[in-house]
Amino acid sequence: DAKTTQPTSMDCAEGRAANLPCNHSTISGNEYVYWYRQIHSQGPQYIIHGLKNNETNEMASLIITEDRKSSTLILPHATLRDTAVYYCIVRRVYSSNTGKLIFGQGTTLQVKP
Amino acid sequence: DTAVSQTPKYLVTQMGNDKSIKCEQNLGHDTMYWYKQDSKKFLKIMFSYNNKELIINETVPNRFSPKSPDKAHLNLHINSLELGDSAVYFCASSQAGDRNSPLHFGNGTRLTVT
Repeated sequence: DAKTTQPTSMDCAEGRAANLPCNHSTISGNEYVYWYRQIHSQGPQYIIHGLKNNETNEMASLIITEDRKSSTLILPHATLRDTAVYYCIVRRVYSSNTGKLIFGQGTTLQVKP
Repeated sequence: DTAVSQTPKYLVTQMGNDKSIKCEQNLGHDTMYWYKQDSKKFLKIMFSYNNKELIINETVPNRFSPKSPDKAHLNLHINSLELGDSAVYFCASSQAGDRNSPLHFGNGTRLTVT
């Protein structure tokens, strides 16, 4: 599975948009980009995923560049409860190991009042 | 309703003991997993079961034995516990038939071996 690179930490003001970047320059055609987050003392929580089109759900938006080598997770109006570690993961489909998520260090997002 | 539940939440035990962690999911998923998060916060897959059949075993010591009595349960039994087994263990589930099915995680079991 492709490796991802994320900044170690980021700050965001409460109520502002949080933009979390991720580089996945070695991504292949059958790999999706997934985002999870882990709030302190909880299990990882699925946020969103996409293949090549931009995606939006009730939690966030995912913007994937045309060459698919990078993506950005957008939390449109960050709240204090969004403080967490955010993981960008590239996940291969059409494989018996589709559940094998490879977690990196992630980005620690601190939302400040 | 809790989708993926693990018990116990905390487990403190001594080296050499045998312990079990239980996991249940009520999402109707057919695939369940165990992940381990070490002291450096890295999350790594240990096992995956699909319809009670082992499909992923990430070179975990054979002191760790997962058991799946049915597709809604995946328990983790650990023999002869060692200090290095101290970690947070997360259970997860997904639907294998849906290739894009995200994993749903439990809230973890913090194991401390003294």
